[in-house]
Amino acid sequence: QKEVEQDPGPLSVPEGAIVSLNCTYSNSAFQYFMWYRQYSRKGPELLMYTYSSGNKEDGRFTAQVDKSSKYISLFIRDSQPSDSATYLCATNTNAGKSTFGDGTTLTVKP
Amino acid sequence: EAGVAQSPRYKIIEKRQSVAFWCNPISGHATLYWYQQILGQGPKLLIQFQNNGVVDDSQLPKDRFSAERLKGVDSTLKIQPAKLEDSAVYLCASSRDSNQPQHFGDGTRLSIL
Repeated sequence: QKEVEQDPGPLSVPEGAIVSLNCTYSNSAFQYFMWYRQYSRKGPELLMYTYSSGNKEDGRFTAQVDKSSKYISLFIRDSQPSDSATYLCATNTNAGKSTFGDGTTLTVKP
Repeated sequence: EAGVAQSPRYKIIEKRQSVAFWCNPISGHATLYWYQQILGQGPKLLIQFQNNGVVDDSQLPKDRFSAERLKGVDSTLKIQPAKLEDSAVYLCASSRDSNQPQHFGDGTRLSIL
């Protein structure tokens, strides 16, 4: 079993929809939680970074962490075609060792 | 702020040949990471440096892979000899410190024939 499991997708939604992306993790040593966006032939780009349970909002993006359930989510409001990409969840230990999910590919159709 | 620079962007070699990748992290970032990303998967950590010392290389196939970070700035990752299963994108990332967000380069796409 992988330490970080991500809903595999792919996901296809109409423009303007609310998107929910989800991951679970198994290691209680994971203290920091990230969401990255990766466009084709590009490196991952950091979207959200948090270390506590609860919600963190940045524009149209909201990251949600539930440490008791070991569950992390990313919500995208008013999705745009430019949001079409692969989304990666990742977790860090205090020592900075990162573990990534395998990504969910999102397509937002105009 | 300039991002993480990697070169080359693409490399095609035959199996059993050797190859090297170069990474220049963001200025002032103490921690540098090399990842392997196979198509359809998330990045897998190969090695983590803190300044010029190795913090974690537990997933580095040391019989064929090597990495160094001289003077705590630039880094090189080498594969010798390459195998077909090494076909992947090799990503470099850096962060201010080990528990800070990582910033990625665009990677080197390696194809083994």
